[in-house]
Amino acid sequence: DVKVTQSSRYLVKRTGEKVFLECVQDMDHENMFWYRQDPGLGLRLIYFSYDVKMKEKGDIPEGYSVSREKKERFSLILESASTNQTSMYLCASSFALGPQHFGDGTRLSIL
Amino acid sequence: DQQVKQNSPSLSVQEGRISILNCDYTNSMFDYFLWYKKYPAEGPTFLISISSIKDKNEDGRFTVFLNKSAKHLSLHIVPSQPGDSAVYFCAAGGGADGLTFGKGTHLIIQP
Repeated sequence: DVKVTQSSRYLVKRTGEKVFLECVQDMDHENMFWYRQDPGLGLRLIYFSYDVKMKEKGDIPEGYSVSREKKERFSLILESASTNQTSMYLCASSFALGPQHFGDGTRLSIL
Repeated sequence: DQQVKQNSPSLSVQEGRISILNCDYTNSMFDYFLWYKKYPAEGPTFLISISSIKDKNEDGRFTVFLNKSAKHLSLHIVPSQPGDSAVYFCAAGGGADGLTFGKGTHLIIQP
């Protein structure tokens, strides 16, 4: 079974802090993704990566950056956290054209 | 501009009956469609997919139908079971980019 692990289930941070969300997958997938889920808005793509050191902007990249130094690990960075970034963050991975497999999410609260 | 629409926020079905969840899309470049199921406090779980070269795909109790001319797909669950109560997301993609998700339909299976 594919395992996508997100480092924290719940996280509380303050506005202006730099926040790191970590994601690790164990299936040697090339592609990794970060989404956020908000009530009434579904899942929205923030960033994705096809390979190590590669990244592509999704639909809502503003205020975020990513890092992929190793194939199995994809980090989402909130450069200066703001209250409108309070959300559920979901990481996913996939082979080139296969279905995406998701972690259990990180519920992030910015106070 | 919503490219993937699930027009029913919720659906209630009696146990043992058929559940039909609908999804419409506008982007004719989409060539791969998926359904995910999500329980509270968990990440989405991949259920079933269909590529644009097919009009039907079946997996046990789950069948996905694709009508390309109408840009419409549907997920049929038969028979519906209590464990099927969850939020269902329709997703669409082209190539290896991130997916575009609908806002979800909350399916409630009543005893």
